[in-house]
Amino acid sequence: ILNVEQSPQSLHVQEGDSTNFTCSFPSSNFYALHWYRWETAKSPEALFVMTLNGDEKKKGRISATLNTKEGYSYLYIKGSQPEDSATYLCAFCQSGGSNYKLTFGKGTLLTVNP
Amino acid sequence: DTGVSQNPRHKITKRGQNVTFRCDPISEHNRLYWYRQTLGQGPEFLTYFQNEAQLEKSRLLSDRFSAERPKGSFSTLEIQRTEQGDSAMYLCASSNSGTTKAFFGQGTRLTVV
Repeated sequence: ILNVEQSPQSLHVQEGDSTNFTCSFPSSNFYALHWYRWETAKSPEALFVMTLNGDEKKKGRISATLNTKEGYSYLYIKGSQPEDSATYLCAFCQSGGSNYKLTFGKGTLLTVNP
Repeated sequence: DTGVSQNPRHKITKRGQNVTFRCDPISEHNRLYWYRQTLGQGPEFLTYFQNEAQLEKSRLLSDRFSAERPKGSFSTLEIQRTEQGDSAMYLCASSNSGTTKAFFGQGTRLTVV
């Protein structure tokens, strides 16, 4: 059983604050690490797919880093806005024949107060 | 809109009834997945299709669950003799071969009463 852990479970910040979340995953048999944003009543939206140790990805005010050797990834949001309120999920893909399969963490619920 | 479409969005059913959900993937995607999310958990993998072939089923998928993808286009997920423990959000996703990036639908929320 693959263990993907996310922390914190939930987070309340004020508009304009910067914040970050953590995803930890198995450090062996790594294939890819995904970050998704899931707003209420919408589809989970892919933010980043990261495959190489040391990868850094950025999309607007959101960025992510990856450390496959120690098995963690950070997601950063700079200058949080109320529209950033969502559940942020990370998902791990293991190398091998089932590398298409996403193993998700439980998510971090972010609430940005105006 | 050319995203992944799921129907219905919500379904309330009585225990013991059968239900069927539909997923229309992005048209050019040959891979299709079903996931299930229960309260307080992340989505969990249920099954995977490459074109019309069902290539993997999770142990989470009991004999009461069956999925099909005729002609490699839309997919259906049927649950027979529903139980309260089946209450969950059922998510469908699709992708192309050669990438793990999956595009998700909005899900079908099932409530078994």
